[in-house]
Amino acid sequence: EVQLVESGGGLVRPGGSLRLSCAASGFTFNKYLMHWVRQAPGKGLMYVSAISSDGTYTYYADSVKGRFTISRDNSKNILFLQMSSLRGEDTALYYCLKDQSGDYSFDHWGQGTLVTVSS
Amino acid sequence: QSALTQHASVSGSPGQSITISCTGTSSDVGFYNLVSWYQHHPGKAPKLIIYEGDKRPSGVSTRFSGSKSGNTASLTISGLQAEDEADYFCCSYAGRSTYVFGTGTWVTVL
Repeated sequence: EVQLVESGGGLVRPGGSLRLSCAASGFTFNKYLMHWVRQAPGKGLMYVSAISSDGTYTYYADSVKGRFTISRDNSKNILFLQMSSLRGEDTALYYCLKDQSGDYSFDHWGQGTLVTVSS
Repeated sequence: QSALTQHASVSGSPGQSITISCTGTSSDVGFYNLVSWYQHHPGKAPKLIIYEGDKRPSGVSTRFSGSKSGNTASLTISGLQAEDEADYFCCSYAGRSTYVFGTGTWVTVL
């Protein structure tokens, strides 16, 4: 059974940093593109970042470019999102997603980890 | 990109069919046949129910079907059941490695 378990969320002050993790199991992690999306309170989902299966290609939404870094450890089956210079508008539930592979959809989601940026 | 537009809520009685629409632009929904649909029960992880506009993943009920016309994608749930009560949101590839999501539609089974 595929499982994606996010962790690392919490309360952080504006300008602070946080690292999210997503522990993956139940599939061959190193063969799949992985993604992060987020949902701010009362708002819709926003696509945040992606990383290729081997980690060589990354994508960032304009609103997080230069502040967030996506990475992965294929030896430990973990996806990361390093977030720095955090702002209030980064407050959201962050989801880790597995790419279904080749069809531009996401076949498994985690349950999310909440990041709150507030003084 | 702007979010894809969905009605906030739709309701139907058991056994009925309902259709949820997802309206984008000629740069996302209208350009790519790469709309996916997700079912989200509160407190659980979202579940993929349609991909590439009209394809169902293995194990997803045939009561769920997808289609597209112009800049609008649609999800139809036939034979509505109590367990279908959930939030449904769409997602479209929008080019340049990015995706845009719908605003979500809450389905109520009366």
